[in-house]
Amino acid sequence: AQRVTQPEKLLSVFKGAPVELKCNYSYSGSPELFWYVQYSRQRLQLLLRHISRESIKGFTADLNKGETSFHLKKPFAQEEDSAMYYCALIGETSGSRLTFGEGTQLTVNP
Amino acid sequence: GAGVSQSPSNKVTEKGKDVELRCDPISGHTALYWYRQSLGQGLEFLIYFQGNSAPDKSGLPSDRFSAERTGGSVSTLTIQRTQQEDSAVYLCASSQTGIYGYTFGSGTRLTVV
Repeated sequence: AQRVTQPEKLLSVFKGAPVELKCNYSYSGSPELFWYVQYSRQRLQLLLRHISRESIKGFTADLNKGETSFHLKKPFAQEEDSAMYYCALIGETSGSRLTFGEGTQLTVNP
Repeated sequence: GAGVSQSPSNKVTEKGKDVELRCDPISGHTALYWYRQSLGQGLEFLIYFQGNSAPDKSGLPSDRFSAERTGGSVSTLTIQRTQQEDSAVYLCASSQTGIYGYTFGSGTRLTVV
């Protein structure tokens, strides 16, 4: 079975501070991992995906297979980063079905 | 279309009534997914279509829930005899290949009173 865990439901930081949103996964094979973001009153949208090794809006995420983690990081948080963040994975045998974590609500205070 | 379109955006229904939720995916996207987003529950997978067939409907919570997709395009999620616990935001997404991520619609907020 595949599972995604985001241990923090709420995370609050000050503008300019570093931020890390934690994500751990459980899957026996080689999953593809994603971060999705939902800003207030907007639709859920893809932020970044492991397969592309990209940095979007200053966010990066590194896959650590030893720790089965895919934490999302940004060195200097901005107020506009306040949103709900979901970590998700697709397993090799899940037929492209995304399994989501429960999400972390990030608030960046001025 | 340019994005995934869902209708209605809001639906209030009385307990026991049937509802139909519609999803119009991005043109050319062969895969279509339904999820349910409830407060404190995260995103719950319901069903996945590849073309018109549903290889994975394991997430449908009960036999009151059904979905179909016609012409490899529009999908309808039907909930019969709605219950208060069905209240949630129902999200639809489409993709060409899942490993590059999904594009989500803005959802239908269903309230059962």
